[in-house]
Amino acid sequence: QQQVKQSPQSLIVQKGGISIINCAYENTAFDYFPWYQQFPGKGPALLIAIRPDVSEKKEGRFTISFNKSAKQFSLHIMDSQPGDSATYFCAASIHQGAQKLVFGQGTRLTINP
Amino acid sequence: ETGVTQSPTHLIKTRGQQVTLRCSSQSGHNTVSWYQQALGQGPQFIFQYYREEENGRGNFPPRFSGLQFPNYSSELNVNALELDDSALYLCASALPGETQYFGPGTRLLVL
Repeated sequence: QQQVKQSPQSLIVQKGGISIINCAYENTAFDYFPWYQQFPGKGPALLIAIRPDVSEKKEGRFTISFNKSAKQFSLHIMDSQPGDSATYFCAASIHQGAQKLVFGQGTRLTINP
Repeated sequence: ETGVTQSPTHLIKTRGQQVTLRCSSQSGHNTVSWYQQALGQGPQFIFQYYREEENGRGNFPPRFSGLQFPNYSSELNVNALELDDSALYLCASALPGETQYFGPGTRLLVL
C-alpha cells in the first residue's frame, strides 16, 4: 500500500517533443508529491513538487498534473532538450514519525537530437 | 548557502566489515534522512534524524544505525557488511515537514 508505481521504465523522445512520465499510488495518507531528476553519479535533484489540493503546477517547461480521485500524477516536459536526458523519479511523502519519501522505480529518459 | 555534502564519495569494503558514512546538512536544516539506492532502483528510506534522535525507520535491520550531531551533521553506520549492501547511499536534509534536498551520495562496493 506504500508503493508508488512509475511508468514507463524508459522513454525516448525527439528533441522538441513532449516527455510524459506517469505515477500511481494507493495510500491516501501521502501528502506531498515531488519529482526528482538524477544524472549518472549524482544525487537526485528536486525538479518540481505538488500537494494534493492542486490539480496542476507548472514551472518553466515542467508541469505536474495531479488526479486525486484516480490517485495518479504525471510529469510533462515540454520542448524536451538533450540536456533533459536523465533518470526521473516520482516520489510521495508520508509522515510516520518521520517524513518519509517513497520513490517510484524511475524512468530513464533519452532525448534524441 | 551550502548544499548537502557527503563523504567519502566512493568506498570499497569486504564482507563482514563495518563502514561509516558522513553527511553535512544544508545550512539551517535540522532534519537528516538516509536512503539506499541500489543500481537501477529508486532510493529506499533507511531512517531519519531530528534533534539528534531517530524519529522514523524504514525496513532495514538494526545493523544499520546512525547518529546526528548538535550541528545537524549525521553519520550512517553499517555493521557486518553483506554483498547486497553495495549501493549508493544518499543523505537528504530538510526543515521538518519540508522538501528534502539530497547530497551527491556515497558509492559503497562490498566485495
